[in-house]
Amino acid sequence: DAKTTQPNSMESNEEEPVHLPCNHSTISGTDYIHWYRQLPSQGPEYVIHGLTSNVNNRMASLAIAEDRKSSTLILHRATLRDAAVYYCILSGNTPLVFGKGTRLSVIA
Amino acid sequence: GAGVSQSPSNKVTEKGKDVELRCDPISGHTALYWYRQSLGQGLEFLIYFQGNSAPDKSGLPSDRFSAERTGGSVSTLTIQRTQQEDSAVYLCASSLAGPYGEAFFGQGTRLTVV
Repeated sequence: DAKTTQPNSMESNEEEPVHLPCNHSTISGTDYIHWYRQLPSQGPEYVIHGLTSNVNNRMASLAIAEDRKSSTLILHRATLRDAAVYYCILSGNTPLVFGKGTRLSVIA
Repeated sequence: GAGVSQSPSNKVTEKGKDVELRCDPISGHTALYWYRQSLGQGLEFLIYFQGNSAPDKSGLPSDRFSAERTGGSVSTLTIQRTQQEDSAVYLCASSLAGPYGEAFFGQGTRLTVV
């Protein structure tokens, strides 16, 4: 019972912005939107999370639709080190459950 | 330590044996997760501990799997009578604020059942 829908894969050129979409039409009012990524042969790492307002940190920006039924993770300048699987996860008072994510390839 | 520590990093065991995997979370983190990841697959949620609440065991695949968390800190995942399909990387994560905050992952234990 996946709560989020993401494209299986995306491709980006190095040093260009990347917009990774996530649909979550059944989101509840208390669900936070989390993004994690998993680099090859590593454990997942936190990227960003938010509830209603857009969020920015040193890694990325999170744009949340006004109805909260979708969100977009924005990498402002993709580098080769950003090649990873990106996971969009909803979590209220429930554990983080990972879906299949989006595999991002970055082309030099 | 500064991060989540898991041991052993690698474990090879014979089919039918029991194994114990250990996770040392970041000090003060009240939430602790266990996941497993088979080769080329996504992360499969196993169990979640949050403070003194009863653990969420909804992801444990069979009664051969169990986990405990002693004193709200160290956690042990036990797999009894291991099977070849149990071969995977077992990942532990901890969080200060449960599902509302950032979870930090260990490097995992690679379990191979032969």
